[in-house]
Amino acid sequence: ILNVEQSPQSLHVQEGDSTNFTCSFPSSNFYALHWYRWETAKSPEALFVMTLNGDEKKKGRISATLNTKEGYSYLYIKGSQPEDSATYLCAQANTGNQFYFGTGTSLTVIP
Amino acid sequence: ETGVTQSPTHLIKTRGQQVTLRCSSQSGHNTVSWYQQALGQGPQFIFQYYREEENGRGNFPPRFSGLQFPNYSSELNVNALELDDSALYLCASSLVAGSNTGELFFGEGSRLTVL
Repeated sequence: ILNVEQSPQSLHVQEGDSTNFTCSFPSSNFYALHWYRWETAKSPEALFVMTLNGDEKKKGRISATLNTKEGYSYLYIKGSQPEDSATYLCAQANTGNQFYFGTGTSLTVIP
Repeated sequence: ETGVTQSPTHLIKTRGQQVTLRCSSQSGHNTVSWYQQALGQGPQFIFQYYREEENGRGNFPPRFSGLQFPNYSSELNVNALELDDSALYLCASSLVAGSNTGELFFGEGSRLTVL
């Protein structure tokens, strides 16, 4: 069992603010790290898949970094908008069958 | 919209009953995984099916069982329901079995309440 932790559990930011949150995972036997966005009453949707130490991925105003040696990934949102309000999940993937999810960070962007 | 559909969306059962949850995978995906998300927890892996065979199982008792059909749709069956089985059950399809870089395409989930 892989222990994946996310922080903070929840946060509220004002529209236009930039924010970031953390996913921590065991650094040994690392294969891949996934980020998902889960809006209320919808299904989780993939944001990024990251595999290499030092990876940086970007999609619009959202970006992510990966440090496999110390076992963490950061997700950044620049200029938060109300439509960014969602729960952001990270998951470490093992040899192929199983994803280990954190408990998520719930983001609320206040207009 | 991912193209993965689950039914029913909500259901209520009592302890000791049995439940079947259904999932239609995204077109072209031959692998289906099931996850349980209890309140305040992240999704936990139950099992994965690839070409109608179980292809990995998480730490769940045998009363959690599954099936995958030739059209790659899937069922999750839970026997002898317990109160702790109350959760959101997520189905996810993927293009390649055993790939740790392939993204999962989730349905919206089936919320089970056990009284």
